[in-house]
Amino acid sequence: QLQLQESGPRLVKPSETLSLTCTVSGGSVTSGSYYWAWIRQPPGKGLEWIGSINHSGTTYYNASLQRRVTISVDMSKDQFSLRLKSVTAADTAVYYCARHEPYYHMDVWGRGTTVTVS
Amino acid sequence: QSVLTQPPSVSGAPGQRVTISCTGSSSNIGAGYDVHWYQHLPETAPQLLIYGNSNRPSGVPDRFSGSKSGTSASLAITGLQAEDEADYYCQSYDSGLSGYVFGTGTTVTVL
Repeated sequence: QLQLQESGPRLVKPSETLSLTCTVSGGSVTSGSYYWAWIRQPPGKGLEWIGSINHSGTTYYNASLQRRVTISVDMSKDQFSLRLKSVTAADTAVYYCARHEPYYHMDVWGRGTTVTVS
Repeated sequence: QSVLTQPPSVSGAPGQRVTISCTGSSSNIGAGYDVHWYQHLPETAPQLLIYGNSNRPSGVPDRFSGSKSGTSASLAITGLQAEDEADYYCQSYDSGLSGYVFGTGTTVTVL
C-alpha cells in the first residue's frame, strides 16, 4: 500500500527557506503517469495547492507562489522535495504531500507536517 | 483566493440529508474538468470521498454522492451521522490558472 511521509524542520525563521521532503514507500515515484504534489493549509483557512512534479522533473506551480517555489524529485530515493524561499508568517501552515494523475484527484496523502515561520 | 466557492457551513440532524455546493467557472468545472471531494477531519490528512464527479472510492459509504452540472457540483450526504462532522472540500483543475484548485471548504455540523 502506497504511503507518503513528510519530513523537515518544523520551525523556520522569516526570510529564510522552508525545505520539506516527502518519502514514498510501498511504491515508486517513477510508477505510472502520476504527479507528486505539495498542498498546504494555513491555520483557520482552506487547502491550497502549491505545485506538482512528475518523475521526469516536469513541474507545475501555483502562480501565486511560483517565484518562491521549487519542487524537485529524487528517483533514487523515491522522494520529492519542496523549497519555499523568503518565507513570512503567512507561510505558516500544515504542509501535505500527495499523489495525483494529471488533471485529476489526489488519491494518496501524507499525514501532514506543521511548519511555523517565526 | 479560492476560485471554487462553497458555503461556509451546513448542518442537519442525524438521519437527515444535507448538500454542499461547489460553484466554479468556465475555466474549471464549466470547462469539463472533473470535480472531486475530500473529507477533512482535524489532525488528519484529507480523505478522498468522491472522484470524477460521482465515483466513490472503495470503502466510502454510499450515503455520500456527488454530481456535476454546468459550472457547479454538489456533494450530498444522506442519513447524516455524527461521524460525518468534518470539513469538506471540492477540487478541480483550472485551465486559466494552469493548476489545481480547491473550494473554500464547508464545515458540516450534526445537530
